[in-house]
Amino acid sequence: DGGITQSPKYLFRKEGQNVTLSCEQNLNHDAMYWYRQDPGQGLRLIYYSQIVNDFQKGDIAEGYSVSREKKESFPLTVTSAQKNPTAFYLCASRTLVEGFEAFFGQGTRLTVV
Amino acid sequence: KNEVEQSPQNLTAQEGEFITINCSYSVGISALHWLQQHPGGGIVSLFMLSSGKKKHGRLIATINIQEKHSSLHITASHPRDSAVYICAVSRGSQGNLIFGKGTKLSVKP
Repeated sequence: DGGITQSPKYLFRKEGQNVTLSCEQNLNHDAMYWYRQDPGQGLRLIYYSQIVNDFQKGDIAEGYSVSREKKESFPLTVTSAQKNPTAFYLCASRTLVEGFEAFFGQGTRLTVV
Repeated sequence: KNEVEQSPQNLTAQEGEFITINCSYSVGISALHWLQQHPGGGIVSLFMLSSGKKKHGRLIATINIQEKHSSLHITASHPRDSAVYICAVSRGSQGNLIFGKGTKLSVKP
């Protein structure tokens, strides 16, 4: 079955360590997105990519980095420069053809201690 | 002011009640999405609509483009409908989604 997979579901890291969240899709979607969700707030865009080897900053990119070496994969690295990394992270993908909906992963809950 | 506003923020209903969640937006859009997020966190797309009305089982979504308003209705609500319902708008095939803050629905048996 086609879908979008995030791993791991829960992640604990010590302060000051970089951590990479995985997002893979087998839907042949061109665009992939990373969002951050905090309690009481809407989803906020961190980074997005519409084509391999290209990506754009979203509204809250500081302290994060991404890569898009393959169409299927869009990993997000939370660096030590991110001041408040504890959050729920969601990956999404969509085709860039008008009229098609976005698909979301199950999310990764990152806790930095 | 947020570009996408949802109301109410929280909603508690008794099983069997008819539920309405509202979404207003202030930008031009190509489509509006209703999403469901269960306590585990994963998000499922319920509807994508650009005009009129769509129905899927007990769920109905409507949109009024002129008034920039959409509603999600749940008929004969059930405890398994308890979730956060999120409204999002997209602005063209190249555009990113803009999300509302969500409505937390709790249906009591």
